[in-house]
Amino acid sequence: NAGVTQTPKFRVLKTGQSMTLLCAQDMNHEYMYWYRQDPGMGLRLIHYSVGEGTTAKGEVPDGYNVSRLKKQNFLLGLESAAPSQTSVYFCASSLLAEGQDNEQFFGPGTRLTVL
Amino acid sequence: GEDVEQSLFLSVREGDSSVINCTYTDSSSTYLYWYKQEPGAGLQLLTYIFSNMDMKQDQRLTVLLNKKDKHLSLRIADTQTGDSAIYFCAYPPCAGNNRKLIWGLGTSLAVNP
Repeated sequence: NAGVTQTPKFRVLKTGQSMTLLCAQDMNHEYMYWYRQDPGMGLRLIHYSVGEGTTAKGEVPDGYNVSRLKKQNFLLGLESAAPSQTSVYFCASSLLAEGQDNEQFFGPGTRLTVL
Repeated sequence: GEDVEQSLFLSVREGDSSVINCTYTDSSSTYLYWYKQEPGAGLQLLTYIFSNMDMKQDQRLTVLLNKKDKHLSLRIADTQTGDSAIYFCAYPPCAGNNRKLIWGLGTSLAVNP
């Protein structure tokens, strides 16, 4: 199993450009999440999904859109990138279960720079 | 509200013990987690503890939970350079709710030879 994969690994955008970050998981997980990680800010939840065809807002959803058309994929879109969106983006997934199976599995991250 | 506090930095010598502390506000959580993030990588679950336990030991790792004080600690015995990483404390805010985790800011552990 590859686990959680993210593409691309690195990207540089100019202000106003758009892009889509792809997250894929092969563990048949129901839940998927998009986080951003910034120095001194920890992990902040952008959007999440509790199953195929569903999405919900997290703590910092503004400027981002998501789609979960297939269970294994969770896409994060930036329609008009801004320098404030320079960050490292992490995708994670987890089972639909309680207890220790709440573990979230993380991808390796995408480092995005917006100039 | 829901919050997790951790000290941001810890520096230890190789071979010493490291203790990373975390305080939280929500008392209804059933599990508390420690995640590890190595440089340039994503987070991985390191260990967890049930809220009805006081201590959990797993090889070099010892997790202590003081529910009264809402304090969680992670002790790493015989700390190695490979333990250099950021350690995050996290918990689900409501029992059975896996829609999100409340994360601390992370403690950056530096291990000096």
